[in-house]
Amino acid sequence: QLQLQESGPGLVKPAETLSLTCTVSGGSISSSSYYWGWIRQPPGKGLEWIANTYYTGNTYFNPSLRSRVTISVLTPENQISLRLSSVTAADSAVYYCARFPPREGAFDNWGQGTLVTVSS
Amino acid sequence: SSELTQPPSVSVSPGQTASITCSGDKLGDKYVCWYQQKPGQSPVLVIYQDVKRPSGIPERFSGSNSGNTATLTISGTQAMDEADYYCQAWDAGTAWDTSTVVFGGGTKLTVL
Repeated sequence: QLQLQESGPGLVKPAETLSLTCTVSGGSISSSSYYWGWIRQPPGKGLEWIANTYYTGNTYFNPSLRSRVTISVLTPENQISLRLSSVTAADSAVYYCARFPPREGAFDNWGQGTLVTVSS
Repeated sequence: SSELTQPPSVSVSPGQTASITCSGDKLGDKYVCWYQQKPGQSPVLVIYQDVKRPSGIPERFSGSNSGNTATLTISGTQAMDEADYYCQAWDAGTAWDTSTVVFGGGTKLTVL
């Protein structure tokens, strides 16, 4: 059974870089059938897509976040990482990773999410 | 990028039919999916490719998409269906790096 687990610091200072890792188990991130995505949700608000990446490293981004986002694929570890630079309080959110089969055009498996708070 | 508009809230009586709309420019030209999210939980996919249900999703959940509006319909709504619902569209774009994913703002479904 596929499982995704987000991990990383729960508290980040303003202007610093947020770094998260998504560990995939029960499946390979090198599968040609899937993209892998990051989505966030500020407390009490809606979902916001951040980016989708393929195991080759090809990535497409939310244009509003593109300049601050870096996605890396760590194939041996079966992990995907997210880095968001120059964070502000507006970046405080639950961050999810999820699997995205393009034939479905939807995120069909989600991690449990991890809360990141930006505060000094 | 396109924006998707959902009503903030919808109310329905148990056993009745709930309809949640999602509007966007030429939305009918894209694949639309729907997620259910209960408090403190991750979203769950309930409809994809406009009308398809993932394994394990009850038949009372159905979808449609035409013109500028996609609709999630829940027939015979149950108390357990009370949740936030989000639509999402995917535009494959003309090249890899022009693909985009966009979410609607979400609708809180209350089963009275």
